[in-house]
Amino acid sequence: DGGITQSPKYLFRKEGQNVTLSCEQNLNHDAMYWYRQDPGQGLRLIYYSQIVNDFQKGDIAEGYSVSREKKESFPLTVTSAQKNPTAFYLCASSNPGTGSEQFFGPGTRLTVL
Amino acid sequence: AQSVAQPEDQVNVAEGNPLTVKCTYSVSGNPYLFWYVQYPNRGLQFLLKYITGDNLVKGSYGFEAEFNKSQTSFHLKKPSALVSDSALYFCAVRDDSNYQLIWGAGTKLIIKP
Repeated sequence: DGGITQSPKYLFRKEGQNVTLSCEQNLNHDAMYWYRQDPGQGLRLIYYSQIVNDFQKGDIAEGYSVSREKKESFPLTVTSAQKNPTAFYLCASSNPGTGSEQFFGPGTRLTVL
Repeated sequence: AQSVAQPEDQVNVAEGNPLTVKCTYSVSGNPYLFWYVQYPNRGLQFLLKYITGDNLVKGSYGFEAEFNKSQTSFHLKKPSALVSDSALYFCAVRDDSNYQLIWGAGTKLIIKP
């Protein structure tokens, strides 16, 4: 998981509350990503950012928001509009270039009570 | 439509035997293919990738993968399995429309002593 940190590792939220997941990287990567992982499914892209102050919606952006004010940071907010937020959330980063592999953080497990 | 498939939910192999984890893909252009491994409650770790060149790609931890264009496959292989290879394995292909990764659903590999 080297170079990418996610916090907290476990997060519990009451229904109706917004919550922000942290992602920081020291790899000097331009691109950063947020994925959601549910049991028995592959990773689904929530948002991605190719450069500071710019980001794009992925396949399942509804109910989520992001910001990219600094190169090393890409926080994800899970809003109360997200209908089923309980999942494992993974942050990743990569160098520019379409053939570059992504490096992943250790993940945050969010549980809605 | 661009896609990637991992036809086996689970693969069981005896320690010391060769292992294969299957992946097939569908893309409109030249495929950029990746394999990752995930241990329980951890982020994903990059194993190897195929961009161009030799059809046999060697990666981390003794794994290799064979790109077969005619069969649109990119199967992951290892000559001699270890119990520590037990994990969840993901295949991914680059989406030509936005250069993001499309992920397979994952294959659980179980190596029995």
